[in-house]
Amino acid sequence: DTGVSQNPRHKITKRGQNVTFRCDPISEHNRLYWYRQTLGQGPEFLTYFQNEAQLEKSRLLSDRFSAERPKGSFSTLEIQRTEQGDSAMYLCARASTGPDTGELFFGEGSRLTVL
Amino acid sequence: SQQGEEDPQALSIQEGENATMNCSYKTSINNLQWYRQNSGRGLVHLILIRSNEREKHSGRLRVTLDTSKKSSSLLITASRAADTASYFCATPPPGGGSQGNLIFGKGTKLSVKP
Repeated sequence: DTGVSQNPRHKITKRGQNVTFRCDPISEHNRLYWYRQTLGQGPEFLTYFQNEAQLEKSRLLSDRFSAERPKGSFSTLEIQRTEQGDSAMYLCARASTGPDTGELFFGEGSRLTVL
Repeated sequence: SQQGEEDPQALSIQEGENATMNCSYKTSINNLQWYRQNSGRGLVHLILIRSNEREKHSGRLRVTLDTSKKSSSLLITASRAADTASYFCATPPPGGGSQGNLIFGKGTKLSVKP
């Protein structure tokens, strides 16, 4: 158990619809990350929160994507007007406690299929 | 941009054999990590090796790092069917930022046949 819970695990939607994914770290970890992974590829960084502040965003995070972490605990990732190219696994990860070594503990992911 | 590149892309071995996967990267790093991912699941952190370390062990795993060649290898000894998974190397971003903003390679898909 990595201490990161993601919901939903699977989401099938039609193109143009909005979807929201939620990430719940087991306890308050100040550093939380979102990644996207397409089939046959490694994960790609999307965004990073330190507490409630969104400190880094990848160029992959187009204006249709928004992430929040309102109280520094759970986080949501919303995709508006989904496109088929958004089909991927969306992974949330918490950092290890203590110094920022980069070790990440991932949830099981939310798999999005856009029809 | 891709930093780490694993080799081979796929590896098939018999249970009990050793499996070696390699990772090459492009820019200077202060550490390198290996992760495992079972099909359809999240990634599991295996080991982190710092730039001033040459070798690190964890159970049946042995990781080496050669900063002069910008390469790392992951050796799994006495493999088991349960080791079947994809293995990724990951490095921090060049130029700073959070260490958790990792750059992953495409991975090596390991299949261990019973």
